Amino acid sequence: GNSVTQMEGPVTLSEEAFLTINCTYTATGYPSLFWYVQYPGEGLQLLLKATKADDKGSNKGFEATYRKETTSFHLEKGSVQVSDSAVYFCALSEDSGYSTLTFGKGTMLLVSP
Amino acid sequence: SAVISQKPSRDICQRGTSLTIQCQVDSQVTMMFWYRQQPGQSLTLIATANQGSEATYESGFVIDKFPISRPNLTFSTLTVSNMSPEDSSIYLCSARPESGFGEQFFGPGTRLTVL
Repeated sequence: GNSVTQMEGPVTLSEEAFLTINCTYTATGYPSLFWYVQYPGEGLQLLLKATKADDKGSNKGFEATYRKETTSFHLEKGSVQVSDSAVYFCALSEDSGYSTLTFGKGTMLLVSP
Repeated sequence: SAVISQKPSRDICQRGTSLTIQCQVDSQVTMMFWYRQQPGQSLTLIATANQGSEATYESGFVIDKFPISRPNLTFSTLTVSNMSPEDSSIYLCSARPESGFGEQFFGPGTRLTVL
């Protein structure tokens, strides 16, 4: 079956630090990969996606590259802000028309001024 | 993308009662989903709600406890029946657009507390 493994949090950084949140996956087919962000008290927002190997998804300064050889989709940002404090979820969806999302456990990011 | 609204945003309920959560999507979608998220945890899929057919429930969730309606392509409801404190959680609905690569768009969630 499919699975997503994320690094455990919380990840605690100072403002302007470099961020990496690791994500690896197991899938039987050729999945699409996603990062979602959940701010306190809110639902999940799609942050970025990549649909095939070597694709780079990017949004709001965040980036992640679909690495098929290492089955990874690590989230990076060059300079985090306090407003980036949230929980980040890595997820995958198989390429079939009725597939569901498989989520990682989430990684909490705390950014201090 | 899709914009999704949920009602109510939060509620406090008594043990043994039922609550119906509404989910509205701003565009027509075939697939809608209901999730539960307990504090500090990831999302657990309750069921997939397709218009015109019975909802498909995941292991550990049953229709008698979580009946779902899907009367059209933009709306769904989830009822949490005969509630107990263990049902206290955030309930999220989502929709999968017809075009796309399997991504889902989520509502803001309903925060349920059962006393």
